Amino acid sequence: DAMVIQNPRYQVTQFGKPVTLSCSQTLNHNVMYWYQQKSSQAPKLLFHYYDKDFNNEADTPDNFQSRRPNTSFCFLDIRSPGLGDAAMYLCATSGVRGNTEAFFGQGTRLTVV
Amino acid sequence: AQKVTQAQTEISVVEKEDVTLDCVYETRDTTYYLFWYKQPPSGELVFLIRRNSFDEQNEISGRYSWNFQKSTSSFNFTITASQVVDSAVYFCALSEAGGNKLVFGAGTILRVKS
Repeated sequence: DAMVIQNPRYQVTQFGKPVTLSCSQTLNHNVMYWYQQKSSQAPKLLFHYYDKDFNNEADTPDNFQSRRPNTSFCFLDIRSPGLGDAAMYLCATSGVRGNTEAFFGQGTRLTVV
Repeated sequence: AQKVTQAQTEISVVEKEDVTLDCVYETRDTTYYLFWYKQPPSGELVFLIRRNSFDEQNEISGRYSWNFQKSTSSFNFTITASQVVDSAVYFCALSEAGGNKLVFGAGTILRVKS
């Protein structure tokens, strides 16, 4: 049974058109993460929530925003996607900070045309 | 600053061969956590193992084994008798105690041929 679910699996958006990716979890974990993974690269953390506390990585572009309306759901909003934002976006959860494993969803592959 | 290096970009083996994936890390923290994840073609990252910095015991799980050596800052992963289903990208990662950021290595593509 999937525990971290990302929708959609594939998303095509137009250059500059806002897009939202969604993530839900059934694990009741406190922490939710969004990672960006470009082709043949390692995943890179964009931001994370510890409960409702939002933590942005210093090098995450302003173009990327996130919302976490409740424990189960987290959204990634890309306000004006550029061609360079085409990537796999991975959502993950963990029970507590740092010292437990993160569980990842299957990812959403974003294409910008 | 934390850094994880996986020097092997790609490894190809024939089924039933043993293969070792190397991971070297850098951190100034005395307490930290090391992880290995598998990323099959379907895309999700599958957790394989977590090890904290105070536990240098090697671990074996079926065909998988891990060798953690603080003296060389290495956390290597061996697959014994590899199978085609082991073909994937394998990532080594590091996080600091109390932190949230998983710092990943560049990944090693493992191709197991029948």
